[in-house]
Amino acid sequence: QLQLQESGPGLVKPSETLSLTCTVSSGAISNSSYFWGWIRQPPGKGLEWIASVDYTGDTYYNPSLKSRVTISVDTSKNQFSLKLSSVTAADTAVYYCARPEREFRHDAFDIWGQGTMVSVSS
Amino acid sequence: QSVLTQPPSVSAAPGQKVTISCSGSSSNIGNNYVSWYQQLAGTAPKLLIYDNNKRPSGSPDRFSGSKSGTSGTLAITGLQTGDEADYYCGTWDSSLSAVVFGGGTKLTVL
Repeated sequence: QLQLQESGPGLVKPSETLSLTCTVSSGAISNSSYFWGWIRQPPGKGLEWIASVDYTGDTYYNPSLKSRVTISVDTSKNQFSLKLSSVTAADTAVYYCARPEREFRHDAFDIWGQGTMVSVSS
Repeated sequence: QSVLTQPPSVSAAPGQKVTISCSGSSSNIGNNYVSWYQQLAGTAPKLLIYDNNKRPSGSPDRFSGSKSGTSGTLAITGLQTGDEADYYCGTWDSSLSAVVFGGGTKLTVL
């Protein structure tokens, strides 16, 4: 059963860059054409899609965050990563990595990581 | 302000049926599939419905989805206290080239 696990600092200072990694286990990123995604959820609020990437490195970004976000994939480590620059308190959220239910699809995420809470504070 | 509009809350008694609506536009629901997620307190979302009305394996048949025009609907029959959760709709928006979600609906089973 494919599993996803987020990792990264739980606390980031304002104006700095948030960096998270999602490790994929029991399945190779490079063996399929899935769009691996990042989604976040501020405390008490709804879901917001951030970005997705496929194994070739093709990227797709939420227009509202695009100027600050970089998503990348490392097939040798079976990981994909997120960088969000110039963070503010509004970026405080639980960050999830997720995979859609079939290849070549951006939505309908059926496999999720457990989520990692990232707080932005000095 | 979410691209997709859901009612903030719905409630019903155990054993009853409840529906949750998700309203969008031609650039999202009108021309793309709707998905539904269940998020129990403190856990990651779980895919309940995809492609408007398909259930992943393990998703109970008490949950069903439908779509008409630019709106989607999630129906839950035989409500159980364990169904208390937040429910989100989602889809692809072709104009934004982005995955979009509704603001979420909190279900209370009275």
